[in-house]
Amino acid sequence: NAGVMQNPRHLVRRRGQEARLRCSPMKGHSHVYWYRQLPEEGLKFMVYLQKENIIDESGMPKERFSAEFPKEGPSILRIQQVVRGDSAAYFCASSDTLTAPREAFFGQGTRLTVV
Amino acid sequence: AQTVTQSQPEMSVQEAETVTLSCTYDTSENNYYLFWYKQPPSRQMILVIRQEAYKQQNATENRFSVNFQKAAKSFSLKISDSQLGDTAMYFCAFMKPTGTASKLTFGTGTRLQVTL
Repeated sequence: NAGVMQNPRHLVRRRGQEARLRCSPMKGHSHVYWYRQLPEEGLKFMVYLQKENIIDESGMPKERFSAEFPKEGPSILRIQQVVRGDSAAYFCASSDTLTAPREAFFGQGTRLTVV
Repeated sequence: AQTVTQSQPEMSVQEAETVTLSCTYDTSENNYYLFWYKQPPSRQMILVIRQEAYKQQNATENRFSVNFQKAAKSFSLKISDSQLGDTAMYFCAFMKPTGTASKLTFGTGTRLQVTL
């Protein structure tokens, strides 16, 4: 059973470009969470999605950031017009509704560098 | 809103010794879960141990154990017989069960260095 898969592992973008980060949850998991980890800091919650629905986006910046989790395919975190402050590691986690306490399993993260 | 505080940015321990990492949290909830995650240089987030707040018994996983003090809102991690492979960042995390969600609130982490 493959774990949570994130790609790419490393992404370099110039200021003003778009960044697209992908996350394939564990098989059977229908819940996806995105977290951001700035250098030397802990992970901060961004958004929680179920298939085709955004459930909680309270941690998402209001502009330039969007997320989706379509019926088919991976979850996508999209950052438009990237700025240097977007440089961070972005982690995806997935969970199911069956396991108590619904442990979240993490991917290895995507390190975004904006130059 | 919940907050998680880890007051030790860095810790060092000699191999085979015991070390305790501190974590405190603030919440008005009565039912919740607490976790310790390990993040080695590979950046992979690895679950070390979990504790359900309604359980009085402290969780134990091999060399890892917790001291959960609900009234004091304290959740420390004890690593016994430390090994070089324990070198990593350690994050304390809080989860309030909400419907089917597993949303986590993390502390800022403690960098643990295990030395020979």
